Formats: sequence, structure tokens, C-alpha cells
Amino acid sequence: GAVVSQHPSRVICKSGTSVKIECRSLDFQATTMFWYRQFPKKSLMLMATSNEGSKATYEQGVEKDKFLINHASLTLSTLTVTSAHPEDSSFYICSARDYVGGGYEQYFGPGTRLTVT
Amino acid sequence: EDQVTQSPEALRLQEGESSSLNCSYTVSGLRGLFWYRQDPGKGPEFLFTLYSAGEEKEKERLKATLTKKESFLHITAPKPEDSATYLCAVQVQGGSEKLVFGKGTKLTVNP
Repeated sequence: GAVVSQHPSRVICKSGTSVKIECRSLDFQATTMFWYRQFPKKSLMLMATSNEGSKATYEQGVEKDKFLINHASLTLSTLTVTSAHPEDSSFYICSARDYVGGGYEQYFGPGTRLTVT
Repeated sequence: EDQVTQSPEALRLQEGESSSLNCSYTVSGLRGLFWYRQDPGKGPEFLFTLYSAGEEKEKERLKATLTKKESFLHITAPKPEDSATYLCAVQVQGGSEKLVFGKGTKLTVNP
């Protein structure tokens, strides 16, 4: 299956600083990528849809100025958490869409654990 | 509102004891139903996509089925390495590609 990578896998930052997370599709091109957030023992919550060459579409309740998304190329999307606070600590997961066998499949990255101190 | 409900929340099986996980959904129009496996601290691993009622897909000890209101993930003769959280998600018709996830079923298979 298609492979999606994320970097870094873990990051610890101080309150007030910004953190950038990268999501890459390694063996396919992805015009659309997605960013999710997952709290402990909870399901995935979609934050935004990232489209190559255009602005991201944010879900209701997600602050676009706090969670900056840039889909720089067909294989790279970045999520920047600006002015991070402890409540932003979470597991962030990206996914990328690939056209397979007549339909679109979504493949997920391994996730990034963000801890804000 | 589109909703996905998975049951049970947690399931403990003995190795070799077959069972099924349920995913019921209420959506305006189903475009596809997805099953993923997630290990602790990892991203979801794609298992299956089902598109229409009556469709079935198999992979090793797993078999996914779909009706108009629910999907089942059947696990035959499970092994300890099948222990994980199994997530169900739906994609709704209407142009958006986003997935709506259930809360998952945590499966533990004891040796």
C-alpha cells in the first residue's frame, strides 16, 4: 500500500513557541492531504483538508490562524502550531489520498506526539 | 448529522476464539466505509474499503461486510498479534473527501 511519513515523530516545545510538522507521501502524489488530531482513548478528529496549490479548508471550531497548513507540493503538507499552549498537546496524524483500483483510499502517517510544557 | 457508532468499545478474546466487531452508521448518503487498525502510538493502518451493500472483502483472518446500515469486521481464529484498536470510518456523498470516524473497538487477544 501507499506510504505516508511524518516528521518529527515526537516533539516537546515550550509554551509560546511554534512547531512545524511535516507530512509526506513517499510513493505517490497527493493533491489532497488531511490533518487529524487524536486525544487519548478518543477517535480521530479532522482538523483541516489541505489542497495542493490552494488554501486549506478548516473544520468548524479549528482556528486557522493557530494551525497553519501549507500544501507546498504534491508530496508535502505542513502543519504549524503557532504560539503553542499546553492544551495543544496531542497526537497529530496526517493522511493522504491515493487513487487505487477505481476509488480513492486514505493512507495515514505514523503520527506526531506534541507535548507543550 | 452523520454518525458512526462502533461496538463493543472493548473486546477480549482467547486465541482462536472468533468474533465480530460492529460499525453502525447514519449518513445522508454513503460513498464508502473504511476499516483501519491502530496500534498504540501509531497512525491508523488501512485494512478495507467497502462501497456498496452486500460487498465483502477479506485479508488473512479478517473479513469485512457491509449492509445499508452497518458493517461487520469478522475475525477468525485470532492471534495475539491481532490485538489493536479497530476503527471504522465513513465517507459521505456530496463532494467532501473527509472521513467521519467511530470511537473504535479495542481488541485484546490473549494467548
